[in-house]
Amino acid sequence: DAKTTQPPSMDCAEGRAANLPCNHSTISGNEYVYWYRQIHSQGPQYIIHGLKNNETNEMASLIITEDRKSSTLILPHATLRDTAVYYCIVRVFNTNAGKSTFGDGTTLTVKP
Amino acid sequence: ETGVTQSPTHLIKTRGQQVTLRCSSQSGHNTVSWYQQALGQGPQFIFQYYREEENGRGNFPPRFSGLQFPNYSSELNVNALELDDSALYLCASSLVGQLSSGNTIYFGEGSWLTVV
Repeated sequence: DAKTTQPPSMDCAEGRAANLPCNHSTISGNEYVYWYRQIHSQGPQYIIHGLKNNETNEMASLIITEDRKSSTLILPHATLRDTAVYYCIVRVFNTNAGKSTFGDGTTLTVKP
Repeated sequence: ETGVTQSPTHLIKTRGQQVTLRCSSQSGHNTVSWYQQALGQGPQFIFQYYREEENGRGNFPPRFSGLQFPNYSSELNVNALELDDSALYLCASSLVGQLSSGNTIYFGEGSWLTVV
């Protein structure tokens, strides 16, 4: 699985958009980008995933660059409850789906 | 609510003892994986079971072992516990083989193990 690089921490004002970057320059053509978040002492929560097209769901939007070497998770209107560690991972869509390589993620702090 | 449940939520063991952690996967999921998360770090992949057979393993010694049962439950066993085994142990399940599932993995809330 490709490695990812994320900034260790970011701050965001409540109500503003939070843009979390992720670099995955060694991503392979068959690897998907997944985003999870982990609120203190809880299990990671799935947010969104994509291959090469931009994706949007009720939680967030995922923007993947054309060369697929980086992506950005966007929380359109951050709330205090979005304070968490956000993990960007890449992995192949096959029977090893469970093997996900997590880095240390980005700690997002949403401030009032 | 991910449909993945783990037990126990917290436990304390003595160095050298053995521990069994249990997980109930989301109904219909054919793949279960286990992760170890030390304080302040991201989850580290231990191993994965697909249709009751181990088919992937991270950098963990053989004293970490597991089982997956036909009823979607699974176990993580750790023998000869060491102090460094103190961590949050996460179980995750997924449905592999269906494009519509996105191969998304869903995590349980974890079991906190403290080795003293």
